[in-house]
Amino acid sequence: DARVTQTPRHKVTEMGQEVTMRCQPILGHNTVFWYRQTMMQGLELLAYFRNRAPLDDSGMPKDRFSAEMPDATLATLKIQPSEPRDSAVYFCASGLGDGGNQPQHFGDGTRLSIL
Amino acid sequence: EDQVTQSPEALRLQEGESSSLNCSYTVSGLRGLFWYRQDPGKGPEFLFTLYSAGEEKEKERLKATLTKKESFLHITAPKPEDSATYLCAVIKGGSEKLVFGKGTKLTVNP
Repeated sequence: DARVTQTPRHKVTEMGQEVTMRCQPILGHNTVFWYRQTMMQGLELLAYFRNRAPLDDSGMPKDRFSAEMPDATLATLKIQPSEPRDSAVYFCASGLGDGGNQPQHFGDGTRLSIL
Repeated sequence: EDQVTQSPEALRLQEGESSSLNCSYTVSGLRGLFWYRQDPGKGPEFLFTLYSAGEEKEKERLKATLTKKESFLHITAPKPEDSATYLCAVIKGGSEKLVFGKGTKLTVNP
């Protein structure tokens, strides 16, 4: 089965450091989503792209977070500078075309701990 | 504001003891309701999409149903391997954003 691949799976770093998370979507999927999951808030959408173009990043703290798709096989989510409140599991998901009708397929996440 | 509420938060069943999980939603113009399963340390795994009231979908021991205000995930004769957190999410008309509930953690004891 085709899968979304995320790296690293775990990341522990100190406050103020830059963090970069990577995602390889399923080949042929043209829509990529970034989510954050915490115990308190559950799964929240941060941003998403279609055909590598950003469509919505309203869920993302703009001052420290940035998301890009350098090419169709790579999406990145960066945090600079990182803060303890950014500790969470970050998931990438990909899908075909209009996400309203097609399911999103998730990777296994990056578990981020900011000390 | 779009909201998805799942109940109960946690459910313990004995193997073979059937039950249902509830997902109630408030969204203007539902476009689709999705059920996912999430195992510890893993990402959500897609189970079903439901689009209109009255629709039902089945997969092995799971059956999902949809009304205008809620969805149920029925688990028939569950097995320990059905233990997971089950997440419900909705997309409203004109949007592509999934709004998730907090999930129901299901434990099935042998």
